[in-house]
Amino acid sequence: AQTVTQSQPEMSVQEAETVTLSCTYDTSESDYYLFWYKQPPSRQMILVIRQEAYKQQNATENRFSVNFQKAAKSFSLKISDSQLGDAAMYFCAYRSLRGGYQKVTFGTGTKLQVIP
Amino acid sequence: DVKVTQSSRYLVKRTGEKVFLECVQDMDHENMFWYRQDPGLGLRLIYFSYDVKMKEKGDIPEGYSVSREKKERFSLILESASTNQTSMYLCATRGGLQPQPQHFGDGTRLSIL
Repeated sequence: AQTVTQSQPEMSVQEAETVTLSCTYDTSESDYYLFWYKQPPSRQMILVIRQEAYKQQNATENRFSVNFQKAAKSFSLKISDSQLGDAAMYFCAYRSLRGGYQKVTFGTGTKLQVIP
Repeated sequence: DVKVTQSSRYLVKRTGEKVFLECVQDMDHENMFWYRQDPGLGLRLIYFSYDVKMKEKGDIPEGYSVSREKKERFSLILESASTNQTSMYLCATRGGLQPQPQHFGDGTRLSIL
């Protein structure tokens, strides 16, 4: 079974600075998807960024980018020019491609505080 | 945009009651999911459904059941609520087999007294 580990329960960053959230996973599969989701306080969880394992190029979405290290099974999220609206819980997720269901496994989350 | 609507944001029920949590989506997605979210535990899958009347157990199905009579609606049922089922419940949908993300509802914070 896959596991997803987010070793930083809480982090803080100064506004306009850069922060990196870590995520590691354990799998024996060679092809899969990885996601970062953001859950603002009392608001809906939304997708931040996704990465397909067969793609070597790291995904980027505006101020958000990932460092995908397949051999190390690491998938960290970098937030550049942090804004107050980035304060949220961030969840890393692994999606297996096996089976019709394609199970998604979530990490335990990292709470990000942005300091003005 | 995909809209996933959960019937209640906050719900308070008593031990032993039968509780229904409803989720409706407007994007004709085949796959629907129920998770519970607890601090330090992340999201844990309770049940999922890949088609009408089709359901599969997730990682923590004990004490729960589900119903999917129509494609757009997926209900989570607590047959006899217990205090350890106090939690945040999230419904999610996903369409197709491409690397599509899940789309989540706002969540229902359920308290069992």
